[in-house]
Amino acid sequence: SAVISQKPSRDICQRGTSLTIQCQVDSQVTMMFWYRQQPGQSLTLIATANQGSEATYESGFVIDKFPISRPNLTFSTLTVSNMSPEDSSIYLCSVDGDGYEAFFGQGTRLTVV
Amino acid sequence: AQSVTQLGSHVSVSEGALVLLRCNYSSSVPPYLFWYVQYPNQGLQLLLKYTSAATLVKGINGFEAEFKKSETSFHLTKPSAHMSDAAEYFCAVSRTDSWGKLQFGAGTQVVVTP
Repeated sequence: SAVISQKPSRDICQRGTSLTIQCQVDSQVTMMFWYRQQPGQSLTLIATANQGSEATYESGFVIDKFPISRPNLTFSTLTVSNMSPEDSSIYLCSVDGDGYEAFFGQGTRLTVV
Repeated sequence: AQSVTQLGSHVSVSEGALVLLRCNYSSSVPPYLFWYVQYPNQGLQLLLKYTSAATLVKGINGFEAEFKKSETSFHLTKPSAHMSDAAEYFCAVSRTDSWGKLQFGAGTQVVVTP
């Protein structure tokens, strides 16, 4: 199984600012995924990050708000831009395993005030 | 499109009693199905998975799930609840456009009482 590290684990940010979340995997993976978990809610896929190409965003999510980088096969970043209190959520990075499962990082708990 | 329905947002069980969490799915193709657990302030941990092999799947921590195609169900069970089982449980199905992308159910919060 892949080991995924996310930074920061939590943060409190002022509205109007941006936060960049880092995701590091201990092995090379083709695709990395970013999810959002709003308070008391389930997980929703934000986008898929492929190395060497633009990220693919799900309906309702746009690159200007959630720019993603994927510079190599073990690392990705998600930026939450121009934050508002509605962006307060847990953001999780995941990768696909060899046995069709997905592995998740510990998440970044973001509070926007 | 795939979808997942979890019946019951909250389940309370007594320590030592059966844990039963219900999950029904909708998929246009044979699905890959998963159960994940999320402990407070932690990420998601894979409990078990169904990927078209045996229909009865055993996972970690004594959990198991049975895939029933006729009922489009993938219910999670554990014969005897432990206090450490208190957590949120998510059922998920792989999307057809990429099996790494998951569609999650709404989640079931499990409370274990002494």
